[in-house]
Amino acid sequence: DSGVTQTPKHLITATGQRVTLRCSPRSGDLSVYWYQQSLDQGLQFLIQYYNGEERAKGNILERFSAQQFPDLHSELNLSSLELGDSALYFCASSVAGGGGTEAFFGQGTRLTVV
Amino acid sequence: DAKTTQPPSMDCAEGRAANLPCNHSTISGNEYVYWYRQIHSQGPQYIIHGLKNNETNEMASLIITEDRKSSTLILPHATLRDTAVYYCIVRPFSGSARQLTFGSGTQLTVLP
Repeated sequence: DSGVTQTPKHLITATGQRVTLRCSPRSGDLSVYWYQQSLDQGLQFLIQYYNGEERAKGNILERFSAQQFPDLHSELNLSSLELGDSALYFCASSVAGGGGTEAFFGQGTRLTVV
Repeated sequence: DAKTTQPPSMDCAEGRAANLPCNHSTISGNEYVYWYRQIHSQGPQYIIHGLKNNETNEMASLIITEDRKSSTLILPHATLRDTAVYYCIVRPFSGSARQLTFGSGTQLTVLP
């Protein structure tokens, strides 16, 4: 158990809908990262929050947004969903303190858009 | 961030050591080498990381060459449960902990 909790584990929704994925980081971790893993692609970095502020952006679509709350949990909002958004979405967390700190991943949310 | 090169796949006999190579010839002085693995659709699992010295923990050993242009992850006694995709990642030092950039990794298959 990495200590990173993601909910829900599975989500099935229709095209055009909006969903929210939730991530609770390990206690004390200030950085939260979101990744997308589609069947035919590797792990793609979406966005990072550090202590409530957006710190880095990767290949995140404009239809997607995220935020980190004062209690450090994070939510990834996906709207106007398309079939191609079906994927595994992982959250990871890390303490601050430099490159020598490991990030721990949750078990992911499997999103299926039908 | 420095790019890494790994073989796409490797096999290893159960009980033998698995040696997974990684080339990172453009690594900078402030970049760490990380290894993660992903067992079929599970969340990536941290294995080990290092800067320039060899490192060992309960899971594996990391050998980094003196010029830091390559490294080898060693699983001393591979088991069937070690079958996974192994990712070698270089990550720069940053006070806010930069993201990990995953490549294609090496599919390690441990054979009975």
